Amino acid sequence: DTGVSQDPRHKITKRGQNVTFRCDPISEHNRLYWYRQTLGQGPEFLTYFQNEAQLEKSRLLSDRFSAERPKGSFSTLEIQRTEQGDSAMYLCAGGLAGVNTGELFFGEGSRLTVL
Amino acid sequence: GENVEQHPSTLSVQEGDSAVIKCTYSDSASNYFPWYKQELGKRPQLIIDIRSNVGEKKDQRIAVTLNKTAKHFSLHITETQPEDSAVYFCAARNQAGTALIFGKGTTLSVSS
Repeated sequence: DTGVSQDPRHKITKRGQNVTFRCDPISEHNRLYWYRQTLGQGPEFLTYFQNEAQLEKSRLLSDRFSAERPKGSFSTLEIQRTEQGDSAMYLCAGGLAGVNTGELFFGEGSRLTVL
Repeated sequence: GENVEQHPSTLSVQEGDSAVIKCTYSDSASNYFPWYKQELGKRPQLIIDIRSNVGEKKDQRIAVTLNKTAKHFSLHITETQPEDSAVYFCAARNQAGTALIFGKGTTLSVSS
């Protein structure tokens, strides 16, 4: 168990609805990453935070996607006006800043199905 | 940006055989190369990693080699066991603080 929890684990929604996912890393994780994974593919980077600052966003992160980490602890990922192509597993991972650190501790993921 | 290519996409071996998975990366500034294992329905978990100041690293039955000049790195699993069956992902990061970029994965099947 990595100590990273995600909620909900599964979400089924209709196209056009908004959805929000939450990630709770352990307190030591000053970095928090969001990835998206579709069947048969590797995790695709979306965005990451160091403490409460969003430091990098992938071009995959369209303007329908927004992420926050308001107090440098938990994070939320919101998808507005969902599309069928948004169906995927959304993975959150915690990590530590520093030159000699690197391991990402993944949560179990939130699976989104857009009908 | 960084791009990571991984092959083969599937690999089937007999129990006891060795398995090798190879990855190439595009950004010569990359300096951290981990390998993750993902079992069906589970989260990816780190199994071994290597940094650019080292050419090889070994941990029991698994080893990783890095060729910085050619910009490729490989995972070697010896004496494979059925429980090694999973999807393996390589990844690369170009500097401390930026995101890991993953390959598309290799599905390893070990038959007894």
